Amino acid sequence: SYELTQPLSVSVALGQTARIACGGNNIGSKNVHWYQRKPGQAPVLVIYRDSNRPSGIPERFSGSNSGNTASLTISSAQAGDEADYYCQVWDSSTVFGGGTKLTVL
Amino acid sequence: QLQLQESGPGLVKPSETLSLTCTVSGGSITSSYYYWGWIRQPPGKGLEWIGTISYSGTTYYNSSLKSQVTISVDTSKNQFSLKLTYVTAADTAVYHCARHLKYSAGPNWFDPWGQGTLVTVSS
Repeated sequence: SYELTQPLSVSVALGQTARIACGGNNIGSKNVHWYQRKPGQAPVLVIYRDSNRPSGIPERFSGSNSGNTASLTISSAQAGDEADYYCQVWDSSTVFGGGTKLTVL
Repeated sequence: QLQLQESGPGLVKPSETLSLTCTVSGGSITSSYYYWGWIRQPPGKGLEWIGTISYSGTTYYNSSLKSQVTISVDTSKNQFSLKLTYVTAADTAVYHCARHLKYSAGPNWFDPWGQGTLVTVSS
């Protein structure tokens, strides 16, 4: 079955740019989606189909996907961006990455 | 605005069946553009997809859970349901329902999600 690999944690200084990677075999050929999960809250879709932002998601959130790595980029990181982030694909079944905890210092 | 709400027992005994219902409001469950899915998150762990259903009853299941899982839909009530049989402590998790958007070959991304409900498996 298909597997997605994410770093356990990423740290970023306040106001700087955070990048969260999601690795998978030829992931560039798939549609990658990203979710933000804050404690006690439902996950929120922040990027769909590699690089599309749902309405209401700040422009600071962007995504890319090529080769064996997809990435979520959060520019001008804010304290409110601290959360767990999950990548996800559909490959005849739904697969989630293990999640990355983003810490804003 | 579409909203989803999970309901069901918060405590289930080992070897029994976990049953949850998701009520969809603010929109119809009978759209061919969408599927409807269940996802869970055990304490301290990541998200795990359980399965997905279309309004017409087409189902997709996580192969690791397939023997335990049944997902059904009731269009008259705008609801879909999850049954997980022979549960163990490993099935303790927050269970979410979500709209699963159709794109290209099949269901793709989830949006929005229900708040989730904690189900504990314990005697």
